[in-house]
Amino acid sequence: GAGVSQSPSNKVTEKGKDVELRCDPISGHTALYWYRQSLGQGLEFLIYFQGNSAPDKSGLPSDRFSAERTGGSVSTLTIQRTQQEDSAVYLCASSKGEVGNQPQHFGDGTRLSIL
Amino acid sequence: AQTVTQSQPEMSVQEAETVTLSCTYDTSESDYYLFWYKQPPSRQMILVIRQEAYKQQNATENRFSVNFQKAAKSFSLKISDSQLGDAAMYFCAYRETSYDKVIFGPGTSLSVIP
Repeated sequence: GAGVSQSPSNKVTEKGKDVELRCDPISGHTALYWYRQSLGQGLEFLIYFQGNSAPDKSGLPSDRFSAERTGGSVSTLTIQRTQQEDSAVYLCASSKGEVGNQPQHFGDGTRLSIL
Repeated sequence: AQTVTQSQPEMSVQEAETVTLSCTYDTSESDYYLFWYKQPPSRQMILVIRQEAYKQQNATENRFSVNFQKAAKSFSLKISDSQLGDAAMYFCAYRETSYDKVIFGPGTSLSVIP
């Protein structure tokens, strides 16, 4: 597609439920990133993929969070047993991933609300 | 570990005036890339300008320019002739040349006063 696509755009769920957030990067982009942004805050790095592997998972807040990427394309971020503090906007970005000054291209994000 | 600091949580500027947003970073690398991103209320992050550390010349993009001071590890963004559409959160970001991870600062909220 023309840009990074994230779905759903909004998700409301009850505490304790599992949620899956999807990111479809720009075709050909090998690097894919997940960030979390709480209201009025900066971007909190969660995880980064180069191809299907994740060299850096250091930002995942707890073992309730996991992510995978298949076929070097679509990625899903899964949050198990959601808590109210998980409420935030989850942003996905992709880039060409080459060594260089390639910028990240961001999706519109998924706004997650935990009741 | 690399860190990015933006010391101004909020800034305001009169329409048509000039404003400078500050950013400092900490790194032991000599080669890297720096970016400014804009996030309007619509939420989508948009690249404003980028700078390669090995280039001494400051990057410019129309009304946007940077003041890159490598020794001081400073990367400020200047917006000239500010417009109402410039109102947004602005994030400074750092990326190593050999590693794809990008580190963002906490952001500066810019208001433009008509």
